[in-house]
Amino acid sequence: SQQGEEDPQALSIQEGENATMNCSYKTSINNLQWYRQNSGRGLVHLILIRSNEREKHSGRLRVTLDTSKKSSSLLITASRAADTASYFCAPIKAAGNKLTFGGGTRVLVKP
Amino acid sequence: DTEVTQTPKHLVMGMTNKKSLKCEQHMGHRAMYWYKQKAKKPPELMFVYSYEKLSINESVPSRFSPECPNSSLLNLHLHALQPEDSALYLCASSPTDKGPSTDTQYFGPGTRLTVL
Repeated sequence: SQQGEEDPQALSIQEGENATMNCSYKTSINNLQWYRQNSGRGLVHLILIRSNEREKHSGRLRVTLDTSKKSSSLLITASRAADTASYFCAPIKAAGNKLTFGGGTRVLVKP
Repeated sequence: DTEVTQTPKHLVMGMTNKKSLKCEQHMGHRAMYWYKQKAKKPPELMFVYSYEKLSINESVPSRFSPECPNSSLLNLHLHALQPEDSALYLCASSPTDKGPSTDTQYFGPGTRLTVL
């Protein structure tokens, strides 16, 4: 299985603080994707980082990828209450035709 | 239109009922997906339709029956469900069937199903 494992399972921070979550996976990947899910609704694609990239930014999001350690991290800077959500990583194999999610990190941003 | 819509938002059904979930997209996407998500768990793939043909069935029980009448519509027919089938059912679509190495999947808001 290409499923990632996420750490921590839950995170509670104050508005304005940064939130960091990690994803580890087992085998070689083509890319790794991060998704957000608000209150048990649909998932929203946040960012995709390819195996030959080490860091990628999108607005307040910063994703890193260390293929030697088979791990990725997602940093949300200057968090807002609207960032309260579950965040899932999805490591994708080169020939992968399925999106398989890690267990997720539940983030609570307190106003 | 960059949206995947799902109806109904909520559904309560008995174990002897027959009901259907509906998913629609007008982005011209040629692959559509059904996922099942239990509380506090990640979504799990159930079915993939590629160019209106079923390409992946993740060993889903036959009480779940998918249907793709056309390239914009995806249905999930439900019959004789069990209480443990209660979950959030998510639909997604992607531009092609080349897989997540190439395509981003766009998710609908889901149908929350309760089986009594």
